Amino acid sequence: GENVEQHPSTLSVQEGDSAVIKCTYSDSASNYFPWYKQELGKGPQLIIDIRSNVGEKKDQRIAVTLNKTAKHFSLHITETQPEDSAVYFCAASTPGTYKYIFGTGTRLKVLA
Amino acid sequence: DGGITQSPKYLFRKEGQNVTLSCEQNLNHDAMYWYRQDPGQGLRLIYYSQIVNDFQKGDIAEGYSVSREKKESFPLTVTSAQKNPTAFYLCASSPSSGGAYEQYFGPGTRLTVT
Repeated sequence: GENVEQHPSTLSVQEGDSAVIKCTYSDSASNYFPWYKQELGKGPQLIIDIRSNVGEKKDQRIAVTLNKTAKHFSLHITETQPEDSAVYFCAASTPGTYKYIFGTGTRLKVLA
Repeated sequence: DGGITQSPKYLFRKEGQNVTLSCEQNLNHDAMYWYRQDPGQGLRLIYYSQIVNDFQKGDIAEGYSVSREKKESFPLTVTSAQKNPTAFYLCASSPSSGGAYEQYFGPGTRLTVT
């Protein structure tokens, strides 16, 4: 069935360093790939998304890249700050369907 | 959390009791969703609704029921038939359900059943 694999499950970086989280999807028809940030005890917040007609998208310190051939996409956070510490989820969505397939999450810790 | 509210934030029930979780949105979104989140796992879809008076089962609908009588409201009932109901429940909405649309999540309800 459809699947999204997310790695790593935990990631610790020093403040100011970059963090990269990777996801691989199985359904080649998927065309929408959002990333969510979830802080403890709260609902996920959409932080950036990308559609299959582009290869990269940036928003200040956050960027997402998409490789359709390899069916993987990545979240890049530069100049990390302690407030970036959270769980990050990737997801993939296929046109004509109702659902997102979520990855299992990455717990990012930014060490001051 | 945008215009989606979930109440209460914490809910405690005894085993064998049904419990209803509230979800309201003022975003004028057509589609609404219920997810369950367990530690170390991704979000799993329980039910979704594309329009008023219509809803479909997700991947883990057994032991749950929903209604969609109003566009802005999508309550979830956790019945006594749900074998392991303790979890964090998230409601979401999107402008449409045809994929490729942003889903916006509420703050969640943590249900504990003892």
